[in-house]
Amino acid sequence: GENVEQHPSTLSVQEGDSAVIKCTYSDSASNYFPWYKQELGKRPQLIIDIRSNVGEKKDQRIAVTLNKTAKHFSLHITETQPEDSAVYFCAASRESNTGKLIFGQGTTLQVKP
Amino acid sequence: DVKVTQSSRYLVKRTGEKVFLECVQDMDHENMFWYRQDPGLGLRLIYFSYDVKMKEKGDIPEGYSVSREKKERFSLILESASTNQTSMYLCASSLVRGPGTQYFGPGTRLLVL
Repeated sequence: GENVEQHPSTLSVQEGDSAVIKCTYSDSASNYFPWYKQELGKRPQLIIDIRSNVGEKKDQRIAVTLNKTAKHFSLHITETQPEDSAVYFCAASRESNTGKLIFGQGTTLQVKP
Repeated sequence: DVKVTQSSRYLVKRTGEKVFLECVQDMDHENMFWYRQDPGLGLRLIYFSYDVKMKEKGDIPEGYSVSREKKERFSLILESASTNQTSMYLCASSLVRGPGTQYFGPGTRLLVL
């Protein structure tokens, strides 16, 4: 069945360094790839998404890249800050009328001051 | 501002009890979802609904049922709670039927004794 693998499960960086989280997906028909951030004790919230007709998208310090041939996509956070500490989830979806997302297992990012 | 609310933040139930978790969204969203969140397993879809009285099984529907009698309300029912259903339950909604932003509720942490 459809599957999204996310790595690493935990990531610790120093403040100011970059962080990269990678996901691979199994369904070649997937064409929508969002990233959600969940701070401790809070609900997940969308931070960025990308559709398959583009290879990269940026929003200030965060960017997502997509390689459809290899079926993987990545989240890049530059100049990390302590408030970036959270659990990050990638997800994948195919164009359909249900909006169903398949989520990865999550990455706990810790940014050390 | 989209608001998704869940009936309880914390719930303690006994094995064998019937449990109702309720989710309400106030933005006239078409789609509603129920996930369970467990450490290391990410967000796993239990059931979703793309219209009133419509429901579809997600990845882990066993032991659960759902009800959507009104557009704004989506209920998750544990017919006979078991200890392996101890988890965080998250409800979400999205506006359109295709892939798009999912807005999450605050979650219900359920403990089954």
